[in-house]
Amino acid sequence: DGGITQSPKYLFRKEGQNVTLSCEQNLNHDAMYWYRQDPGQGLRLIYYSQIVNDFQKGDIAEGYSVSREKKESFPLTVTSAQKNPTAFYLCASQDRTDQPQHFGDGTRLSIL
Amino acid sequence: GQSLEQPSEVTAVEGAIVQINCTYQTSGFYGLSWYQQHDGGAPTFLSYNGLDGLEETGRFSSFLSRSDSYGYLLLQELQMKDSASYFCAVSGSYTGRRALTFGSGTRLQVQP
Repeated sequence: DGGITQSPKYLFRKEGQNVTLSCEQNLNHDAMYWYRQDPGQGLRLIYYSQIVNDFQKGDIAEGYSVSREKKESFPLTVTSAQKNPTAFYLCASQDRTDQPQHFGDGTRLSIL
Repeated sequence: GQSLEQPSEVTAVEGAIVQINCTYQTSGFYGLSWYQQHDGGAPTFLSYNGLDGLEETGRFSSFLSRSDSYGYLLLQELQMKDSASYFCAVSGSYTGRRALTFGSGTRLQVQP
């Protein structure tokens, strides 16, 4: 079955540590997105990529980095510069801009 | 920039009809989407309106008026499983990108 896989489901970060969240899709979608969701809030765009080897900052990119070396993969690194990383992180992919975005099951990141 | 407003909470009884409104501000509007999210889960796509009018998908309908920058999601024959958060999201050309901006969500509680 086609879909989006995010791992791990739960992640704990120590102070000063960088952590990487994985996002893989086998839908053959060109566009991929990373969102952050805080409790009781909507989704905020961190980074997005429309094609391989290209990505753009979203509204809250500070303290995060991404890469898009393969069409299927769009990993997100939460760096030590992100002082408040505790949140629910969602990855999405999209076939065309007039098509719905498909979401993975998310990764919950907490600080130890 | 882009901004959306929707009510924070709505309560209704099983079998009833409920309407969730969404007003938005954006430049270069492309479309309004609706997503459903159960607690702890990922958002799932419900409906998309690119043009004015009503779109119907089973018990769910969505309406858009571009001149009023307004849309709504209509849920009929409410079931307990419809208890979830509902997000409107607008896609526009803000800062030259076509990516979704989400509202803060409406928490729907369906009571027996």
